[in-house]
Amino acid sequence: NAGVTQTPKFQVLKTGQSMTLQCAQDMNHEYMSWYRQDPGMGLRLIHYSVGAGITDQGEVPNGYNVSRSTTEDFPLRLLSAAPSQTSVYFCASSFPGGAYEQFFGPGTRLTVL
Amino acid sequence: GENVEQHPSTLSVQEGDSAVIKCTYSDSASNYFPWYKQELGKGPQLIIDIRSNVGEKKDQRIAVTLNKTAKHFSLHITETQPEDSAVYFCAASTITPLVFGKGTRLSVIA
Repeated sequence: NAGVTQTPKFQVLKTGQSMTLQCAQDMNHEYMSWYRQDPGMGLRLIHYSVGAGITDQGEVPNGYNVSRSTTEDFPLRLLSAAPSQTSVYFCASSFPGGAYEQFFGPGTRLTVL
Repeated sequence: GENVEQHPSTLSVQEGDSAVIKCTYSDSASNYFPWYKQELGKGPQLIIDIRSNVGEKKDQRIAVTLNKTAKHFSLHITETQPEDSAVYFCAASTITPLVFGKGTRLSVIA
Protein backbone atom coordinates (compact mmCIF):
# COMPACT_ATOMS: atom_id res chain seq x y z
CA ASN A 1 0.00 0.00 0.00
CA ALA A 2 1.26 3.48 -0.86
CA GLY A 3 -0.96 5.00 1.87
CA VAL A 4 -1.74 8.69 1.32
CA THR A 5 0.13 10.37 -1.51
CA GLN A 6 0.28 14.08 -2.29
CA THR A 7 1.58 15.94 -5.31
CA PRO A 8 3.42 18.17 -5.81
CA LYS A 9 5.87 18.24 -2.88
CA PHE A 10 6.76 21.90 -3.49
CA GLN A 11 5.06 24.67 -5.46
CA VAL A 12 5.65 28.36 -5.99
CA LEU A 13 2.78 30.47 -7.33
CA LYS A 14 2.26 34.10 -8.13
CA THR A 15 -0.62 36.01 -6.59
CA GLY A 16 -3.81 35.37 -8.55
CA GLN A 17 -2.75 32.07 -10.08
CA SER A 18 -4.84 28.97 -9.55
CA MET A 19 -3.71 25.42 -8.96
CA THR A 20 -4.83 22.02 -7.70
CA LEU A 21 -3.13 20.05 -4.95
CA GLN A 22 -3.60 16.35 -5.52
CA CYS A 23 -4.32 13.76 -2.82
CA ALA A 24 -4.92 10.05 -3.25
CA GLN A 25 -5.26 7.10 -0.87
CA ASP A 26 -5.35 3.36 -1.50
CA MET A 27 -6.76 2.21 1.85
CA ASN A 28 -10.44 2.44 0.83
CA HIS A 29 -11.03 5.12 3.47
CA GLU A 30 -14.31 6.97 3.19
CA TYR A 31 -13.17 9.97 5.22
CA MET A 32 -10.64 12.42 3.77
CA SER A 33 -9.59 15.87 4.85
CA TRP A 34 -7.27 18.76 4.08
CA TYR A 35 -5.31 20.71 6.71
CA ARG A 36 -2.95 23.62 6.52
CA GLN A 37 -0.05 23.99 8.94
CA ASP A 38 1.38 27.38 9.78
CA PRO A 39 4.03 28.17 12.42
CA GLY A 40 2.45 28.38 15.88
CA MET A 41 -1.02 27.62 14.53
CA GLY A 42 -1.08 23.85 14.56
CA LEU A 43 -3.18 21.96 12.03
CA ARG A 44 -6.28 23.76 10.82
CA LEU A 45 -8.99 21.96 8.91
CA ILE A 46 -9.83 23.41 5.48
CA HIS A 47 -12.37 20.96 4.00
CA TYR A 48 -13.34 17.38 4.59
CA SER A 49 -15.36 14.63 2.95
CA VAL A 50 -17.21 11.69 4.50
CA GLY A 51 -17.57 9.88 1.18
CA ALA A 52 -17.74 10.27 -2.58
CA GLY A 53 -19.97 13.17 -3.53
CA ILE A 54 -20.08 14.64 0.00
CA THR A 55 -17.89 17.53 1.18
CA ASP A 56 -18.08 20.05 3.99
CA GLN A 57 -16.22 23.09 5.22
CA GLY A 58 -13.75 23.11 8.05
CA GLU A 59 -12.32 25.95 10.10
CA VAL A 60 -10.58 27.87 7.29
CA PRO A 61 -12.35 27.14 3.95
CA ASN A 62 -12.18 30.57 2.28
CA GLY A 63 -10.18 30.61 -0.95
CA TYR A 64 -10.26 26.83 -1.37
CA ASN A 65 -12.53 24.46 -3.25
CA VAL A 66 -12.83 20.66 -3.11
CA SER A 67 -14.72 17.88 -4.79
CA ARG A 68 -14.88 14.12 -4.20
CA SER A 69 -15.83 12.15 -7.28
CA THR A 70 -14.12 8.90 -6.19
CA THR A 71 -13.28 7.26 -2.88
CA GLU A 72 -9.56 7.43 -3.68
CA ASP A 73 -9.05 11.08 -4.67
CA PHE A 74 -9.67 14.37 -2.90
CA PRO A 75 -8.11 17.34 -4.74
CA LEU A 76 -7.83 20.80 -3.21
CA ARG A 77 -8.16 23.78 -5.55
CA LEU A 78 -6.82 27.25 -4.90
CA LEU A 79 -9.01 29.54 -6.94
CA SER A 80 -6.89 32.72 -6.89
CA ALA A 81 -3.76 32.31 -4.80
CA ALA A 82 -2.91 34.92 -2.15
CA PRO A 83 0.26 35.32 -0.04
CA SER A 84 -1.84 34.37 3.03
CA GLN A 85 -2.16 30.90 1.53
CA THR A 86 1.56 30.28 1.84
CA SER A 87 1.62 27.20 4.04
CA VAL A 88 2.24 23.48 4.25
CA TYR A 89 -0.82 21.48 3.22
CA PHE A 90 -1.57 17.99 4.49
CA CYS A 91 -4.14 15.55 3.25
CA ALA A 92 -5.39 12.81 5.58
CA SER A 93 -7.71 9.83 5.39
CA SER A 94 -9.39 7.46 7.82
CA PHE A 95 -12.39 5.27 8.35
CA PRO A 96 -15.58 7.33 8.80
CA GLY A 97 -16.44 9.04 12.07
CA GLY A 98 -14.09 10.97 14.33
CA ALA A 99 -12.70 8.14 16.39
CA TYR A 100 -10.24 6.45 14.04
CA GLU A 101 -6.57 6.93 13.22
CA GLN A 102 -6.01 9.51 10.53
CA PHE A 103 -3.25 8.73 8.06
CA PHE A 104 -1.45 11.80 6.79
CA GLY A 105 0.32 12.35 3.50
CA PRO A 106 3.84 13.83 3.30
CA GLY A 107 2.58 17.36 2.65
CA THR A 108 2.84 20.03 -0.04
CA ARG A 109 4.86 23.16 0.72
CA LEU A 110 3.23 26.07 -1.11
CA THR A 111 4.68 29.55 -1.47
CA VAL A 112 2.62 32.37 -2.97
CA LEU A 113 4.62 35.41 -4.05
CA GLY B 1 -17.38 23.90 18.54
CA GLU B 2 -14.51 22.06 20.15
CA ASN B 3 -11.44 23.99 21.28
CA VAL B 4 -8.20 22.27 22.27
CA GLU B 5 -5.47 24.05 24.22
CA GLN B 6 -1.99 22.49 24.41
CA HIS B 7 0.92 23.33 26.73
CA PRO B 8 3.80 23.93 26.67
CA SER B 9 4.56 25.11 23.15
CA THR B 10 8.23 24.13 23.55
CA LEU B 11 9.88 21.66 25.91
CA SER B 12 13.53 20.75 26.37
CA VAL B 13 14.58 17.75 28.45
CA GLN B 14 17.81 15.88 29.10
CA GLU B 15 18.09 12.44 27.57
CA GLY B 16 16.71 9.88 29.99
CA ASP B 17 14.36 12.33 31.72
CA SER B 18 10.57 12.30 31.39
CA ALA B 19 8.48 14.70 29.30
CA VAL B 20 4.86 15.66 29.93
CA ILE B 21 2.58 17.53 27.54
CA LYS B 22 -0.88 18.65 28.63
CA CYS B 23 -4.07 19.41 26.73
CA THR B 24 -7.50 20.68 27.68
CA TYR B 25 -10.68 20.49 25.62
CA SER B 26 -13.97 22.33 25.77
CA ASP B 27 -16.64 19.96 24.41
CA SER B 28 -17.76 17.47 27.06
CA ALA B 29 -19.16 15.26 24.26
CA SER B 30 -15.64 14.55 22.90
CA ASN B 31 -14.79 10.89 23.33
CA TYR B 32 -11.63 10.25 21.32
CA PHE B 33 -8.22 11.75 22.17
CA PRO B 34 -5.26 10.88 19.92
CA TRP B 35 -1.67 12.07 20.02
CA TYR B 36 0.37 12.59 16.87
CA LYS B 37 4.12 12.95 16.39
CA GLN B 38 5.49 14.97 13.50
CA GLU B 39 9.11 14.63 12.51
CA LEU B 40 10.82 17.28 10.42
CA GLY B 41 9.56 17.35 6.84
CA LYS B 42 6.95 14.64 7.37
CA GLY B 43 3.25 14.35 8.01
CA PRO B 44 1.94 13.69 11.54
CA GLN B 45 1.75 10.08 12.65
CA LEU B 46 -0.44 8.59 15.37
CA ILE B 47 1.54 7.39 18.39
CA ILE B 48 -1.18 6.64 20.92
CA ASP B 49 -4.86 7.32 21.47
CA ILE B 50 -7.39 6.98 24.28
CA ARG B 51 -11.15 6.81 24.38
CA SER B 52 -13.44 8.29 27.00
CA ASN B 53 -14.19 5.00 28.70
CA VAL B 54 -10.51 4.56 29.65
CA GLY B 55 -8.51 6.61 32.16
CA GLU B 56 -4.98 5.59 31.18
CA LYS B 57 -3.22 3.76 28.38
CA LYS B 58 0.42 2.73 28.03
CA ASP B 59 2.58 1.64 25.13
CA GLN B 60 6.18 1.00 26.14
CA ARG B 61 7.68 4.41 27.07
CA ILE B 62 4.55 6.36 26.16
CA ALA B 63 1.43 6.79 28.26
CA VAL B 64 -1.68 8.93 28.03
CA THR B 65 -4.02 9.86 30.87
CA LEU B 66 -7.52 11.27 30.61
CA ASN B 67 -9.55 13.18 33.19
CA LYS B 68 -13.05 13.61 31.75
CA THR B 69 -14.32 15.56 34.74
CA ALA B 70 -11.64 18.20 34.34
CA LYS B 71 -11.60 17.87 30.55
CA HIS B 72 -7.88 17.41 30.25
CA PHE B 73 -5.53 14.73 28.99
CA SER B 74 -1.77 14.35 29.04
CA LEU B 75 1.04 12.59 27.19
CA HIS B 76 3.89 11.14 29.23
CA ILE B 77 7.16 10.01 27.65
CA THR B 78 9.61 8.27 29.97
CA GLU B 79 13.33 7.64 29.44
CA THR B 80 13.44 10.11 26.59
CA GLN B 81 15.81 9.49 23.68
CA PRO B 82 17.11 11.84 20.96
CA GLU B 83 14.75 10.25 18.45
CA ASP B 84 11.81 11.48 20.55
CA SER B 85 12.66 15.02 19.38
CA ALA B 86 9.71 16.15 17.25
CA VAL B 87 6.51 18.18 17.33
CA TYR B 88 3.64 16.53 19.20
CA PHE B 89 -0.03 17.32 18.65
CA CYS B 90 -3.00 16.40 20.79
CA ALA B 91 -6.51 16.27 19.34
CA ALA B 92 -10.10 15.65 20.38
CA SER B 93 -13.26 14.64 18.58
CA THR B 94 -16.72 13.16 18.80
CA ILE B 95 -18.10 12.10 15.42
CA THR B 96 -16.94 15.33 13.82
CA PRO B 97 -13.45 15.94 12.37
CA LEU B 98 -10.48 16.01 14.74
CA VAL B 99 -9.63 19.35 16.36
CA PHE B 100 -5.91 19.70 17.01
CA GLY B 101 -3.94 21.61 19.60
CA LYS B 102 -1.25 24.00 18.38
CA GLY B 103 1.57 21.54 19.04
CA THR B 104 4.57 21.13 21.36
CA ARG B 105 8.12 21.10 20.04
CA LEU B 106 10.05 18.60 22.17
CA SER B 107 13.84 18.69 22.14
CA VAL B 108 15.76 15.88 23.84
CA ILE B 109 19.28 16.97 24.67
CA ALA B 110 21.92 14.25 24.63
